[in-house]
Amino acid sequence: DIQVTQSPSSLSASVGDRVTITCRASQSISHYLSWYQQKPGKAPKLLIYSASTLQSGVTSRFSGSGSGTDFTLTISNLQPEDFATYYCQQADRTPWTFGQGTKVEIK
Amino acid sequence: QLQLQESGPGLVKPSETLSLTCAVSGGSIKNPTSYWGWVRQPPGKGLEWMGSIHSSGRTYDNPPLKSRVTTSIDASKNDFSLKLRAVTAADAAIYYCVRVDEFGNFDYWGQGTLVSVSS
Repeated sequence: DIQVTQSPSSLSASVGDRVTITCRASQSISHYLSWYQQKPGKAPKLLIYSASTLQSGVTSRFSGSGSGTDFTLTISNLQPEDFATYYCQQADRTPWTFGQGTKVEIK
Repeated sequence: QLQLQESGPGLVKPSETLSLTCAVSGGSIKNPTSYWGWVRQPPGKGLEWMGSIHSSGRTYDNPPLKSRVTTSIDASKNDFSLKLRAVTAADAAIYYCVRVDEFGNFDYWGQGTLVSVSS
């Protein structure tokens, strides 16, 4: 199975900050990496797929990059509604696996 | 707009079978580019993909759960189901039904249903 490791597990940031979350796969997954946002009590929401493609309707403050084993989610100009937990997921092959999550909290 | 809605008991006894159904609306479950599946999340923890099924009947399993999980699809009702056998306290979680696109992305989610395990 492909393991996916996210870092950090949590971070504190202020409104207006630029935030970066990283995800590392245990083997190359090409560009098959997705990012999700989950707010308390809600289902996860797909933000980015294929490492860098923004899902329809998602603000351009979110961006993704990377390929192979190392990937990054960047949130620019952090807004109050962005405080949530973010998960990466490898979509290269089953069993599909998620990172452990990164909680973005208000500083 | 595709919508998914889980239904099923919120409480299951240890050693029994957890059964959930996901009703799909706003689109056909027979869409050839759609795969349907289940993701669970223990309270306060991360996400675990449990398994998926295509309308052709082909299933995709997560090895740690494979021996206990059965997924099925009912095209006539436009819904799909999960059965998890021999549950223990470790199976207590929020269970989400999901649509998975042909590239492995989980693009539509149900609202989730909390299942507790207790006698």
